[in-house]
Amino acid sequence: QAVVTQEPSLTVSPGGTVTLTCGSSTGTVTSHHYPYWYQQKPGQAPRTLIYDTFNKHSWTPARFSGSLLGGKAALTLSGAQSEDEAEYYCLLSYSGAGVFGGGTKVTVL
Amino acid sequence: QLQLQESGPGLVKPSETLSLICAVSGDSISSSNYYWGWIRQPPGTGLEWIGTVYNTGSTYYNPSLKSRLTISVDTSKNQVSLKLSSVTAADTAVYYCARHRGPSGPDSWGQGTLVTVSS
Repeated sequence: QAVVTQEPSLTVSPGGTVTLTCGSSTGTVTSHHYPYWYQQKPGQAPRTLIYDTFNKHSWTPARFSGSLLGGKAALTLSGAQSEDEAEYYCLLSYSGAGVFGGGTKVTVL
Repeated sequence: QLQLQESGPGLVKPSETLSLICAVSGDSISSSNYYWGWIRQPPGTGLEWIGTVYNTGSTYYNPSLKSRLTISVDTSKNQVSLKLSSVTAADTAVYYCARHRGPSGPDSWGQGTLVTVSS
């Protein structure tokens, strides 16, 4: 089974920009992995931010964006706010089966 | 508005079968183009994708769980079920039901239910 890798932790200043990445042990991440990004705060269910690489839901703040960057999927947070402090997970699809990354804890400090 | 409500025993004995139900409201499984499935999260750790089912009964499973896993739909009750056999303490987790855009992408989530495996 493929392994999906994320940075364990990142810190961003209020108003700053941070990019989270999502890599695959099988090689380059492409749109055919249909990358998803989720935000999870303590004690809450995950919330989907981005689907199919860059698509947003109506509830996704405009400061979040998804892309492919350097062979990985990427989630960029521009203009970080204190409420963005959370765990972020990516998911990649492998022939219909999903694999989550280990998560990135984002601290806004 | 879509609502997903997980239910089932909160405590399961080792070697027994874990059974959960997800009641869906706000969408019809039988006429939906979405997949329906499960994700779990052991305490203090990350998310694990379990598997999905389409309204035709077609399934996609996590290879590491496939031998113990059954996910099915009951379109008459608008419900999705999960059965995981021969459980151990490693199966202790919060189990989430989720509507998926494709076979593998959870998109709308239930609130989750904690299942503890212990004698």
